[in-house]
Amino acid sequence: QQPVQSPQAVILREGEDAVINCSSSKALYSVHWYRQKHGEAPVFLMILLKGGEQKGHEKISASFNEKKQQSSLYLTASQLSYSGTYFCGTGHYGGATNKLIFGTGTLLAVQP
Amino acid sequence: SQTIHQWPATLVQPVGSPLSLECTVEGTSNPNLYWYRQAAGRGLQLLFYSVGIGQISSEVPQNLSASRPQDRQFILSSKKLLLSDSGFYLCAWSVGGATYEQYFGPGTRLTVT
Repeated sequence: QQPVQSPQAVILREGEDAVINCSSSKALYSVHWYRQKHGEAPVFLMILLKGGEQKGHEKISASFNEKKQQSSLYLTASQLSYSGTYFCGTGHYGGATNKLIFGTGTLLAVQP
Repeated sequence: SQTIHQWPATLVQPVGSPLSLECTVEGTSNPNLYWYRQAAGRGLQLLFYSVGIGQISSEVPQNLSASRPQDRQFILSSKKLLLSDSGFYLCAWSVGGATYEQYFGPGTRLTVT
């Protein structure tokens, strides 16, 4: 089951903050966040693991609510370079621990 | 440092023709390898993944196949392309399973006409 992201799209001015949410119907043990610019490959931002461990970007923060099977990505003081489509990827239990299921994507546009 | 290559970068093929896309990784051993497809304006659909030579897991039943003839080589193939096979094909690698980050190659943009 594909995780659902919200909002689908958001437009910001430079310096404004944004929150992107990722919600799964299945139990999670990891959540990944990636950013993809138009016509390019996705780039890794952050991993959040069950138990609270995080790995990734210093200027981007995220949370992982294991009980609610949700993660949120927090973009503060946005810059023009933050523009792109953000995808969450979820890792699940039960024999499929080598793969991720990617979410529906959130398009973020930062304007001057 | 590790690098991932994909070729070709772009491809235009007629319906019914064969397909072979190649992905190679340098600077690491025994990586997990993944093939994704991304339709225009859409998300990432996992097609195949491999945890070792000759080990392929298929995620979506379709006219595509994958092979891993060498540790750091992953090939996506089709005997007869369909219009619906058009898209952006991305190869990715990681050092392990879903608790490790994935690194994506530059992608192949395939148009089936």
